Amino acid sequence: QKEVEQNSGPLSVPEGAIASLNCTYSDRVSQSFFWYRQYSGKSPELIMSIYSNGDKEDGRFTAQLNKASQYVSLLIRDSQPSDSATYLCAVNRGGGGNKLTFGTGTQLKVEL
Amino acid sequence: DADVTQTPRNRITKTGKRIMLECSQTKGHDRMYWYRQDPGLGLRLIYYSFDVKDINKGEISDGYSVSRQAQAKFSLSLESAIPNQTALYFCATSDPSGTSTDTQYFGPGTRLTVL
Repeated sequence: QKEVEQNSGPLSVPEGAIASLNCTYSDRVSQSFFWYRQYSGKSPELIMSIYSNGDKEDGRFTAQLNKASQYVSLLIRDSQPSDSATYLCAVNRGGGGNKLTFGTGTQLKVEL
Repeated sequence: DADVTQTPRNRITKTGKRIMLECSQTKGHDRMYWYRQDPGLGLRLIYYSFDVKDINKGEISDGYSVSRQAQAKFSLSLESAIPNQTALYFCATSDPSGTSTDTQYFGPGTRLTVL
Protein backbone atom coordinates (compact mmCIF):
# COMPACT_ATOMS: atom_id res chain seq x y z
CA GLN A 1 0.00 0.00 0.00
CA LYS A 2 1.34 3.41 -0.95
CA GLU A 3 1.81 5.88 1.89
CA VAL A 4 -0.28 8.51 0.11
CA GLU A 5 -2.74 7.53 -2.59
CA GLN A 6 -4.60 9.61 -5.12
CA ASN A 7 -6.61 8.73 -8.18
CA SER A 8 -4.48 9.83 -11.13
CA GLY A 9 -7.49 10.95 -13.18
CA PRO A 10 -8.04 12.83 -15.33
CA LEU A 11 -11.04 14.18 -13.48
CA SER A 12 -13.16 16.21 -15.86
CA VAL A 13 -15.73 18.71 -14.60
CA PRO A 14 -17.70 21.41 -16.44
CA GLU A 15 -16.95 25.05 -15.77
CA GLY A 16 -18.83 26.27 -12.70
CA ALA A 17 -19.17 22.83 -11.14
CA ILE A 18 -17.65 21.53 -7.91
CA ALA A 19 -14.49 19.46 -8.31
CA SER A 20 -13.82 16.92 -5.57
CA LEU A 21 -10.32 15.55 -5.15
CA ASN A 22 -9.54 12.76 -2.69
CA CYS A 23 -6.45 11.45 -0.94
CA THR A 24 -5.91 8.59 1.50
CA TYR A 25 -2.87 7.98 3.66
CA SER A 26 -1.60 4.93 5.47
CA ASP A 27 0.22 6.25 8.54
CA ARG A 28 -2.13 7.02 11.44
CA VAL A 29 0.48 9.22 13.15
CA SER A 30 0.37 11.75 10.29
CA GLN A 31 -0.23 15.20 11.68
CA SER A 32 -0.43 17.75 8.89
CA PHE A 33 -1.76 17.68 5.38
CA PHE A 34 -1.23 19.85 2.34
CA TRP A 35 -2.72 20.34 -1.10
CA TYR A 36 -0.45 21.67 -3.84
CA ARG A 37 -1.43 22.69 -7.37
CA GLN A 38 1.03 22.04 -10.18
CA TYR A 39 0.67 23.27 -13.74
CA SER A 40 2.47 21.26 -16.39
CA GLY A 41 6.22 21.88 -16.25
CA LYS A 42 5.90 24.24 -13.29
CA SER A 43 6.64 23.94 -9.59
CA PRO A 44 4.09 22.88 -6.96
CA GLU A 45 2.22 25.78 -5.39
CA LEU A 46 0.59 25.51 -1.95
CA ILE A 47 -3.21 25.74 -2.07
CA MET A 48 -4.30 24.64 1.38
CA SER A 49 -2.96 23.17 4.60
CA ILE A 50 -5.06 21.43 7.24
CA TYR A 51 -4.15 20.03 10.64
CA SER A 52 -7.42 19.27 12.46
CA ASN A 53 -10.44 17.14 11.66
CA GLY A 54 -13.19 18.96 9.84
CA ASP A 55 -13.37 21.54 7.11
CA LYS A 56 -11.15 24.50 6.31
CA GLU A 57 -12.29 27.02 3.74
CA ASP A 58 -10.25 29.54 1.75
CA GLY A 59 -12.10 31.29 -1.04
CA ARG A 60 -13.31 28.70 -3.54
CA PHE A 61 -11.26 25.96 -1.90
CA THR A 62 -12.30 23.74 1.02
CA ALA A 63 -10.06 21.11 2.54
CA GLN A 64 -11.65 18.31 4.55
CA LEU A 65 -9.79 16.04 6.95
CA ASN A 66 -10.98 12.84 8.59
CA LYS A 67 -8.18 11.27 10.62
CA ALA A 68 -10.28 8.31 11.75
CA SER A 69 -10.83 7.28 8.13
CA GLN A 70 -7.38 8.52 7.05
CA TYR A 71 -8.51 10.65 4.17
CA VAL A 72 -8.21 14.24 3.16
CA SER A 73 -10.09 15.91 0.33
CA LEU A 74 -10.10 19.16 -1.58
CA LEU A 75 -13.26 20.74 -2.96
CA ILE A 76 -13.05 23.44 -5.60
CA ARG A 77 -16.28 25.38 -6.04
CA ASP A 78 -17.20 27.27 -9.22
CA SER A 79 -14.41 25.51 -11.10
CA GLN A 80 -12.67 27.60 -13.74
CA PRO A 81 -10.56 26.54 -16.74
CA SER A 82 -7.57 28.07 -14.92
CA ASP A 83 -8.04 25.41 -12.22
CA SER A 84 -6.99 22.76 -14.75
CA ALA A 85 -3.79 21.35 -13.26
CA THR A 86 -2.47 18.41 -11.28
CA TYR A 87 -3.28 18.49 -7.58
CA LEU A 88 -0.79 16.91 -5.21
CA CYS A 89 -1.68 15.69 -1.75
CA ALA A 90 1.18 15.75 0.78
CA VAL A 91 1.34 14.36 4.28
CA ASN A 92 3.71 15.21 7.12
CA ARG A 93 4.19 12.58 9.78
CA GLY A 94 5.66 15.10 12.17
CA GLY A 95 8.14 14.12 14.82
CA GLY A 96 11.85 14.58 14.16
CA GLY A 97 11.69 14.09 10.44
CA ASN A 98 9.20 16.72 9.32
CA LYS A 99 9.36 15.37 5.80
CA LEU A 100 6.52 15.49 3.33
CA THR A 101 5.35 12.39 1.51
CA PHE A 102 3.55 13.19 -1.74
CA GLY A 103 0.88 11.37 -3.65
CA THR A 104 1.30 11.03 -7.39
CA GLY A 105 -1.35 13.66 -8.04
CA THR A 106 -4.78 13.93 -9.63
CA GLN A 107 -5.10 15.68 -12.97
CA LEU A 108 -8.11 18.00 -13.08
CA LYS A 109 -9.59 19.24 -16.35
CA VAL A 110 -12.21 21.97 -16.24
CA GLU A 111 -14.11 22.04 -19.50
CA LEU A 112 -15.88 25.01 -21.06
CA ASP B 1 12.67 38.55 -7.39
CA ALA B 2 11.78 34.94 -6.74
CA ASP B 3 12.22 33.69 -3.16
CA VAL B 4 13.69 30.34 -4.26
CA THR B 5 15.85 30.17 -7.37
CA GLN B 6 17.40 27.22 -9.15
CA THR B 7 20.18 27.13 -11.70
CA PRO B 8 20.37 25.95 -14.37
CA ARG B 9 16.72 25.72 -15.42
CA ASN B 10 17.48 23.22 -18.15
CA ARG B 11 20.50 21.00 -18.66
CA ILE B 12 21.37 18.30 -21.14
CA THR B 13 24.41 16.21 -20.33
CA LYS B 14 26.00 12.89 -21.18
CA THR B 15 26.34 9.69 -19.21
CA GLY B 16 29.29 9.79 -16.80
CA LYS B 17 29.49 13.58 -16.51
CA ARG B 18 29.47 15.35 -13.14
CA ILE B 19 26.58 17.77 -12.75
CA MET B 20 25.78 20.30 -10.06
CA LEU B 21 22.36 21.84 -9.55
CA GLU B 22 22.19 24.92 -7.37
CA CYS B 23 19.47 26.34 -5.17
CA SER B 24 19.39 29.73 -3.47
CA GLN B 25 16.71 31.26 -1.27
CA THR B 26 15.99 34.67 0.17
CA LYS B 27 13.20 33.49 2.48
CA GLY B 28 15.52 33.14 5.47
CA HIS B 29 14.40 29.55 6.00
CA ASP B 30 16.67 27.08 7.77
CA ARG B 31 15.32 23.95 6.11
CA MET B 32 16.04 23.03 2.50
CA TYR B 33 15.13 19.99 0.43
CA TRP B 34 15.89 18.41 -2.92
CA TYR B 35 13.24 16.38 -4.77
CA ARG B 36 13.01 14.71 -8.13
CA GLN B 37 9.79 14.27 -10.04
CA ASP B 38 9.15 11.54 -12.57
CA PRO B 39 5.91 10.90 -14.47
CA GLY B 40 3.71 8.52 -12.52
CA LEU B 41 6.02 8.49 -9.49
CA GLY B 42 5.35 11.88 -8.02
CA LEU B 43 7.82 13.88 -5.96
CA ARG B 44 10.48 11.89 -4.15
CA LEU B 45 12.86 13.26 -1.54
CA ILE B 46 16.58 12.99 -2.33
CA TYR B 47 18.24 14.92 0.53
CA TYR B 48 17.24 17.44 3.14
CA SER B 49 19.05 19.81 5.45
CA PHE B 50 17.74 21.43 8.61
CA ASP B 51 20.74 23.75 8.97
CA VAL B 52 24.25 24.17 7.60
CA LYS B 53 25.63 21.36 9.77
CA ASP B 54 22.69 18.98 9.42
CA ILE B 55 22.29 17.00 6.18
CA ASN B 56 20.14 13.90 5.85
CA LYS B 57 19.42 11.32 3.19
CA GLY B 58 15.94 11.04 1.76
CA GLU B 59 14.31 8.02 0.19
CA ILE B 60 16.36 8.02 -3.04
CA SER B 61 19.84 9.40 -2.20
CA ASP B 62 21.93 6.81 -4.08
CA GLY B 63 23.89 8.45 -6.90
CA TYR B 64 23.50 11.94 -5.43
CA SER B 65 25.39 14.13 -2.99
CA VAL B 66 24.65 17.56 -1.53
CA SER B 67 26.43 20.53 -0.04
CA ARG B 68 24.92 23.20 2.21
CA GLN B 69 27.31 26.08 1.64
CA ALA B 70 25.31 28.60 3.68
CA GLN B 71 21.84 29.00 5.12
CA ALA B 72 20.70 30.31 1.74
CA LYS B 73 22.43 27.81 -0.56
CA PHE B 74 21.94 24.08 -1.07
CA SER B 75 23.54 22.27 -4.02
CA LEU B 76 22.81 18.85 -5.46
CA SER B 77 25.51 16.92 -7.33
CA LEU B 78 25.35 13.93 -9.60
CA GLU B 79 28.88 12.56 -9.50
CA SER B 80 28.48 10.38 -12.58
CA ALA B 81 25.18 11.01 -14.32
CA ILE B 82 23.19 8.11 -15.75
CA PRO B 83 20.13 8.18 -18.04
CA ASN B 84 17.66 7.14 -15.31
CA GLN B 85 18.51 10.36 -13.48
CA THR B 86 16.70 12.23 -16.22
CA ALA B 87 13.95 14.03 -14.33
CA LEU B 88 12.59 17.34 -13.10
CA TYR B 89 14.44 18.43 -9.95
CA PHE B 90 12.96 20.76 -7.36
CA CYS B 91 14.47 22.56 -4.43
CA ALA B 92 12.20 23.52 -1.55
CA THR B 93 12.50 25.44 1.70
CA SER B 94 10.54 25.56 4.91
CA ASP B 95 10.38 27.48 8.17
CA PRO B 96 10.30 25.31 11.31
CA SER B 97 7.50 27.26 12.93
CA GLY B 98 6.27 24.09 14.59
CA THR B 99 7.05 20.40 14.66
CA SER B 100 4.30 19.51 12.21
CA THR B 101 3.26 22.74 10.51
CA ASP B 102 6.16 22.63 8.07
CA THR B 103 4.90 24.14 4.84
CA GLN B 104 7.36 23.78 2.00
CA TYR B 105 7.90 26.33 -0.77
CA PHE B 106 9.28 25.18 -4.09
CA GLY B 107 11.73 26.64 -6.57
CA PRO B 108 10.96 26.72 -10.31
CA GLY B 109 12.71 23.42 -11.03
CA THR B 110 15.58 22.17 -13.17
CA ARG B 111 14.85 19.89 -16.09
CA LEU B 112 17.80 17.52 -16.42
CA THR B 113 18.31 15.19 -19.37
CA VAL B 114 21.08 12.60 -19.29
CA LEU B 115 21.86 11.12 -22.70
